[in-house]
Amino acid sequence: DAKTTQPTSMDCAEGRAANLPCNHSTISGNEYVYWYRQIHSQGPQYIIHGLKNNETNEMASLIITEDRKSSTLILPHATLRDTAVYYCIVSAYTGANSKLTFGKGITLSVRP
Amino acid sequence: DAGVIQSPRHEVTEMGQEVTLRCKPISGHDYLFWYRQTMMRGLELLIYFNNNVPIDDSGMPEDRFSAKMPNASFSTLKIQPSEPRDSAVYFCASSSMGRAKKEAFFGQGTRLTVV
Repeated sequence: DAKTTQPTSMDCAEGRAANLPCNHSTISGNEYVYWYRQIHSQGPQYIIHGLKNNETNEMASLIITEDRKSSTLILPHATLRDTAVYYCIVSAYTGANSKLTFGKGITLSVRP
Repeated sequence: DAGVIQSPRHEVTEMGQEVTLRCKPISGHDYLFWYRQTMMRGLELLIYFNNNVPIDDSGMPEDRFSAKMPNASFSTLKIQPSEPRDSAVYFCASSSMGRAKKEAFFGQGTRLTVV
C-alpha cells in the first residue's frame, strides 16, 4: 500500500544531472517526502527529505510541487557510484503514522 | 556510534528450525523497524516499535513470526518454525523523533537461507 508511484527505471550519463520523479497525489498535510537509496544489497541510505519547500544538501536537491502531489530528486552530477534503487516515501512521523513504507523504487543506472 | 548492528550477517538453517535475528539500534533512537527484502516482494515493513512498544505489526506475515523489544538497546525477530519461503534479507532500522531529519538508519542486514 505504498502511497507513492515511481517509474521502474531510468538511466543517465555520468556527469549529467539525474532527475528522478515521484508522484504522491494522496499526501496529507503533515506528511514529509523522503528519499532513500539502496546500493546493491546494502541497507537503504537516507538522502534528503522535505515538507513544502525545496531542499538541498551535499548529496542532492529535492523539488516539491506547490500542490505537493509530486516531487523530483535531482542528483546534479551523477557518478557511477550513484547507480542504485531510489525510493520515494511519504511519512508523517507521528505515532501510529510513523511507518516508512517502501515501494518498488526506481532503478537508476549511470552509464560511463 | 557504530550504527545499527544486526547479527548474524548470514544464517543458513533447515526447514522447521527456530531462527532468531538480533538488532541493536543506535543509542538514543526511539523508533525501530524490521523489514524483509526479497526479489519478488521488494522491501516490506514487518513491524515497528516506538519507545519499545510495538505500534504496527500488520506486516508480520503469520503467527510463525514474532518480534520483541525488551529494552531500548535490543530487539529480536524470531521465526518458528522456519520455512524455505522465509529466505530473504532482513533489515533492522532505527530513527529518532528528536533529530531534525528524522531519518532512519539501516543495519547491514541478515541474509537468511532456509533449506
